[in-house]
Amino acid sequence: DTGVSQNPRHKITKRGQNVTFRCDPISEHNRLYWYRQTLGQGPEFLTYFQNEAQLEKSRLLSDRFSAERPKGSFSTLEIQRTEQGDSAMYLCASSLGGGSSTDTQYFGPGTRLTVL
Amino acid sequence: AQSVSQHNHHVILSEAASLELGCNYSYGGTVNLFWYVQYPGQHLQLLLKYFSGDPLVKGIKGFEAEFIKSKFSFNLRKPSVQWSDTAEYFCAVITTGRRALTFGSGTRLQVQP
Repeated sequence: DTGVSQNPRHKITKRGQNVTFRCDPISEHNRLYWYRQTLGQGPEFLTYFQNEAQLEKSRLLSDRFSAERPKGSFSTLEIQRTEQGDSAMYLCASSLGGGSSTDTQYFGPGTRLTVL
Repeated sequence: AQSVSQHNHHVILSEAASLELGCNYSYGGTVNLFWYVQYPGQHLQLLLKYFSGDPLVKGIKGFEAEFIKSKFSFNLRKPSVQWSDTAEYFCAVITTGRRALTFGSGTRLQVQP
């Protein structure tokens, strides 16, 4: 499978714990995106990387959230001191980039987080 | 900030019926438009996209969408739905100079055999 992969697929944690999710983009895609989706809503943008540089962050990304893409390949999204309101599906997407005006984002299966 | 509206939250159709799902966006500049589909238990998949040129775009599985700039709309159509089209459909937009997709809230389509 050469699509975007995400691990774990499901995570259940207790309020106050830290969690980390991983995303592996499509090979050779230099742009990587994180979105969050809650029930009954469309995905909402969180942050975006071009190679290892984090170029855009949404105001939804509070100080408890941090994302990295250290080598310009996989990315991690960490949530510290989780709250029940963090329960959602966390989606990763990647795109080829390279200055193309027809850049298309391809999504992974997501990590479903449940905070008890 | 741009926004996307999908007015039909839940649509129920019988097989062979025609489908039209509405999508309107609010942004005055140049946009790229997308429809994504999420089948039960699967991840978001690209259905079709519009960047420029012919405003009528064709996607996979017989779907098409028409970009009407004057109406800020990008409605999705299919002449004859199948049970396998049961899914959630999301309209999304990217505006000039940005990389973030802005999604609508989605339309759940249920096709009855």
